[in-house]
Amino acid sequence: GQNIDQPTEMTATEGAIVQINCTYQTSGFNGLFWYQQHAGEAPTFLSYNVLDGLEEKGRFSSFLSRSKGYSYLLLKELQMKDSASYLCAVIYGGFKTIFGAGTRLFVKA
Amino acid sequence: GAVVSQHPSWVICKSGTSVKIECRSLDFQATTMFWYRQFPKQSLMLMATSNEGSKATYEQGVEKDKFLINHASLTLSTLTVTSAHPEDSSFYICSANSQPQHFGDGTRLSIL
Repeated sequence: GQNIDQPTEMTATEGAIVQINCTYQTSGFNGLFWYQQHAGEAPTFLSYNVLDGLEEKGRFSSFLSRSKGYSYLLLKELQMKDSASYLCAVIYGGFKTIFGAGTRLFVKA
Repeated sequence: GAVVSQHPSWVICKSGTSVKIECRSLDFQATTMFWYRQFPKQSLMLMATSNEGSKATYEQGVEKDKFLINHASLTLSTLTVTSAHPEDSSFYICSANSQPQHFGDGTRLSIL
């Protein structure tokens, strides 16, 4: 079966850097996405990795290692508004998507 | 970028009522749309894949007679929760076959 693992919760301090890890096991791989989801709202797209390596986008970076089935999302210069759930999602078999349970990030002052 | 509109945002209704949720692609044609359900503090769970002009594909454990999906045009898919009960209360989200997936704003369904 398909599976994604990511930590349930993380806490970090405003201004700091935090890394959220994601490991996956899927039958096939067409890409990995990270989404941000605030409570009661729909997910919003953050980043996309299809090749190994680091993708940087402002304060957010995402890394992928396909051989290890591993990705991480790096958030720099944390702000209070970054408190949210971060979902790792893998596309496989065309348009099929599996989502991780999400990592709830709490940013404290 | 791709924009998906979902309506309504909130529904509160009595047990036994049927509720229809609409998902529209506003600036592109969506041959495929996805319907997800999310319970509090849990992941998005794919319920079904909606295909324009053909029957929807339901995930294991999802009752197709309870969750009716219609995708009659390239810009509209609807999910009807028939005879809803309190256990159907959840956050329902649609998305379209764009990469990355762009989600509607979701519908919070509360059955009393």
